[in-house]
Amino acid sequence: GIQVEQSPPDLILQEGANSTLRCNFSDSVNNLQWFHQNPWGQLINLFYIPSGTKQNGRLSATTVATERYSLLYISSSQTTDSGVYFCAVRTSGSRLTFGEGTQLTVNP
Amino acid sequence: DTEVTQTPKHLVMGMTNKKSLKCEQHMGHRAMYWYKQKAKKPPELMFVYSYEKLSINESVPSRFSPECPNSSLLNLHLHALQPEDSALYLCASSQLQGYNEQFFGPGTRLTVL
Repeated sequence: GIQVEQSPPDLILQEGANSTLRCNFSDSVNNLQWFHQNPWGQLINLFYIPSGTKQNGRLSATTVATERYSLLYISSSQTTDSGVYFCAVRTSGSRLTFGEGTQLTVNP
Repeated sequence: DTEVTQTPKHLVMGMTNKKSLKCEQHMGHRAMYWYKQKAKKPPELMFVYSYEKLSINESVPSRFSPECPNSSLLNLHLHALQPEDSALYLCASSQLQGYNEQFFGPGTRLTVL
């Protein structure tokens, strides 16, 4: 099946810093989603981005499908950005395959 | 409205108990999913329902029994669970199976004693 690798596995930032999270995948995908899982376990949809670039406030994402990677940018990080960020992809089947996640800690 | 709701938020049960988890969405989605998530791991797919019919069972033990009474509701019936079944159980929905964005509920945190 498709392999999804996220990097870095852990990231610690000071409030106000910027960061880039990466997701590499091993095969062509028709769907790609970025999620933020907060400390209470809720998976929050950040972006649905099989290709191209999107922005939502301080967050933006870019997927280069031909090169099989996606990037999530977080600018001016806040303590509420802490949590786990998951990339999930889907190929022609119906299964959403998740990466192992990036654990982000933003310190005040 | 992109909300998926789940009840209860927390559940503690013994190995001989029978309990049910409930999931509801009112987005008109025709695909619904159950996932299991252990600590510090990504969600793992358990079941997929499409148009109220079971489409995928990821070789889940029979002590987990899903049910989709109508297009808005999804249940997961639990019986004779083991302590290793303790996890966060997440429900999700999408417009159609295999396509479109998936939206997740807040989860039920299950502890089996």
